[in-house]
Amino acid sequence: GESVGLHLPTLSVQEGDNSIINCAYSNSASDYFIWYKQESGKGPQFIIDIRSNMDKRQGQRVTVLLNKTVKHLSLQIAATQPGDSAVYFCAETFGGATNKLIFGTGTLLAVQP
Amino acid sequence: KAGVTQTPRYLIKTRGQQVTLSCSPISGHRSVSWYQQTPGQGLQFLFEYFSETQRNKGNFPGRFSGRQFSNSRSEMNVSTLELGDSALYLCASRTDNYGYTFGSGTRLTVV
Repeated sequence: GESVGLHLPTLSVQEGDNSIINCAYSNSASDYFIWYKQESGKGPQFIIDIRSNMDKRQGQRVTVLLNKTVKHLSLQIAATQPGDSAVYFCAETFGGATNKLIFGTGTLLAVQP
Repeated sequence: KAGVTQTPRYLIKTRGQQVTLSCSPISGHRSVSWYQQTPGQGLQFLFEYFSETQRNKGNFPGRFSGRQFSNSRSEMNVSTLELGDSALYLCASRTDNYGYTFGSGTRLTVV
């Protein structure tokens, strides 16, 4: 499959460990944030989202934390599996009908069996 | 429910040619956005269409254009192709709330 990015920050974890992927966002006016997972040769796949009036949201094996004070977002993956290996992007947007997604540079998560 | 469908999946064009890419959104989604993904620049917003009208545009030259049809299907066109236009072009559709769903993209190679 195609590479989705070169020279990406890489996080290497052992299978079964917890993973934490961090993201610094750019716009203090952003009010909605999304984490996407992109596997080789595929488009970004929605993982979890959070609005700016929250600081934590949990999904199945994933948790997103939002710190608006320092404009920081993190994605926690519990019990990481080999199928979690992919590039992870955070994206931000702000309100209005013409909102667009602004993506971070991405982090490559490599899960070692 | 079918996802976002992009055609073709792969395309090879020569410098100076033009290309048209197609995107069929999820049924009921009226908004379609296009993004360009390259190793150097990452994912960058091209434009968004809603009810056949362009609502927002990114910082790309006028060689990049798009349109949306009454059935919400969208096409994007790139004229006078340059080597630097080689990229994965992604389409995303959504309802008028927030939930963007992406297609698998069209891999364009300009030679």
